[in-house]
Formats: sequence, C-alpha cells, structure tokens
Amino acid sequence: GDSVTQMEGPVTLSEEAFLTINCTYTATGYPSLFWYVQYPGEGLQLLLKATKADDKGSNKGFEATYRKETTSFHLEKGSVQVSDSAVYFCALSPNAGNNRKLIWGLGTSLAVNP
Amino acid sequence: GAGVSQSPSNKVTEKGKDVELRCDPISGHTALYWYRQRLGQGLEFLIYFQGNSAPDKSGLPSDRFSAERTGESVSTLTIQRTQQEDSAVYLCASSLGGSGEQFFGPGTRLTVL
Repeated sequence: GDSVTQMEGPVTLSEEAFLTINCTYTATGYPSLFWYVQYPGEGLQLLLKATKADDKGSNKGFEATYRKETTSFHLEKGSVQVSDSAVYFCALSPNAGNNRKLIWGLGTSLAVNP
Repeated sequence: GAGVSQSPSNKVTEKGKDVELRCDPISGHTALYWYRQRLGQGLEFLIYFQGNSAPDKSGLPSDRFSAERTGESVSTLTIQRTQQEDSAVYLCASSLGGSGEQFFGPGTRLTVL
C-alpha cells in the first residue's frame, strides 16, 4: 500500500543553520504531497504542497520539490530560526477518486537553538 | 473566521466505558475527516465524510468505533467499550470539498486507564 517515510528526529540545529528533512514515499498512482507543521501547543497546519512531478512548494522560507524519479519530497530551509522549532510531518494524498485522506509519516521534531 | 474546534480537549476514562468525541468543522466545509495519532506514531486515517455521500469508514480499527455527521456540520466519533490501546490524540479536519486543503482541529487527547 501507499506509505510515507521521513527521517527520524529529533533534529537540533543552531539558528541560521541549513535544514533538510528527508521524505520518501511509495504510491501506486500520482499522489499529491504535503508538508504539515505542528508548533508547540497548536494544531497541524499545512506548510506547503505539490500536486505533480517537478512542482516546488514553498512557504515561510521552506521549500520542497516533488521528485518522481527518486519518489522524494525533501523539506529544506536555508536559514532556520528559533520560531521554526516544531514537529514536521510529510504526507501524501493518493490519487484515488475524490477521497483525499492523507497518509502520514511519523513526524520529525526540530529544535532550533539561539 | 473560526477554525475547526474539538471537544473535549482531554478525556480520561476507565477501560470498558464508552466515550464520545465532538468535532465542529469550519462552516461551509463539506468534507470532514477523523484521524488518530498514537504516541510516537504518525496519523492514522479513521473515517471521511463528504457531503451526502456514504462515508468512507475504511480506517476504523474495529466495530467499537463509529462516527456520525449531521449534514455538513458537527461530527461525533464514538468509541464503545474503550481499551487501553485506544489511548491517543484524535484529530478532526475539514476541507472545502474532497480535494481541498485540510484544516485541523487541536485534537482530543484520550487516555484509557
């Protein structure tokens, strides 16, 4: 079945460091890919998305490119801030009719130190 | 406007009791989803409602779990005869149609003693 694998955390970085959180997927069709973020004490929020191969999603300085050849959707940010400390989830929506139920990775916790 | 709300925020119950969790979606959102997040695990899809269509119940883990939705408004997730393995955070999300961005509520943390 469809699945998402993302790198295990926790990830600890200093402010202004470069961030990469790896995400790879397995899907039989043509899924849409998402990164969600959960800040401490808050609900899940959509960070960015890409709906087809080679699309790049971007938001708040974060980017991820939908790579069909490597079945990957790695999240990157050039210079992290303390306020980026959160748990990041990679997810996919299978191309199966109109049902957009999401399949999730386990989440990667990021802590950014000043 | 108001986001997705869920109640209660925390629920502690004894094994064998029934519990009911509530979700108020964003007004006008026709699609509603329930997910479960166990400690240290990713979110698991439970059930999906879209308008007046029959719900997709494919993620419900057992017949102790059921959910209802009245029209395009409130949904309740009921767990009968709770077990300790039901302890988790239960998340509700809604979207504008079945292909829209999902907006999540804060979740209900259920603890079964």
